[in-house]
Amino acid sequence: QVHLVESGGGVVQPGKSLRLSCAASGFNFNNYGMHWVRQAPGKGLEWVAIVSYEGSKTYYTNSVKGRFTISRDSENTVYLEMNNLRPDDTALYYCARARGIFWFEKLLSPDFWGQGTLVTVSP
Amino acid sequence: QSALTQPPSVSGSPGQSVTISCTGTSGDVGGYNYVSWYQQRPGKAPKFMIYDVNERPSGVPDRFSGSKSGNTASLTISGLQSEDEADYYCCSYAGTYSFVFGTGTTVTVL
Repeated sequence: QVHLVESGGGVVQPGKSLRLSCAASGFNFNNYGMHWVRQAPGKGLEWVAIVSYEGSKTYYTNSVKGRFTISRDSENTVYLEMNNLRPDDTALYYCARARGIFWFEKLLSPDFWGQGTLVTVSP
Repeated sequence: QSALTQPPSVSGSPGQSVTISCTGTSGDVGGYNYVSWYQQRPGKAPKFMIYDVNERPSGVPDRFSGSKSGNTASLTISGLQSEDEADYYCCSYAGTYSFVFGTGTTVTVL
């Protein structure tokens, strides 16, 4: 079955960097786009970024553009490089799989989710 | 990229039906039939409940149904059960490979 495990979270000072990882298994990783979605403590879900199945296309929510970079490798891992972190980036970060293979708008809604990794940005 | 608007809470007795609305704009909910819904229990990851407005992934009970009219999508839970108590989020495709989530709704079973 689909299994996603996030790691790399922690406590970091404002302005610093952090790289999150998401290890995927149970499906043909190379055929699916992947998302990062975050949830601030006690708040709702916020879509952060998506990477295409082959890694060439990336898209971001406006508040992280120029600071965050989503990428993936051929070993079933997707990454979120986060630079110049701010206190409002504090959240539980989930990775999620796009529901369909390849790259069609219709098939990109997130379906399976990991359990998340917590990022805390604090002085 | 403003969040879609959902009511903060809805409630119902076991066996009743509840409906959660999700209001966006013509740039997201109104412009695409790619609305999905997620159930999130406390301390857990979201669970995929509905996609493409009204389609259910395998394993989701048919008590859960979705619909859309204009810029507003809706999730209806029929025959409410205690296990349905959770937070629910809508999510819409918003063009140019971006997505937007709703503000979330807490469903309480009385």
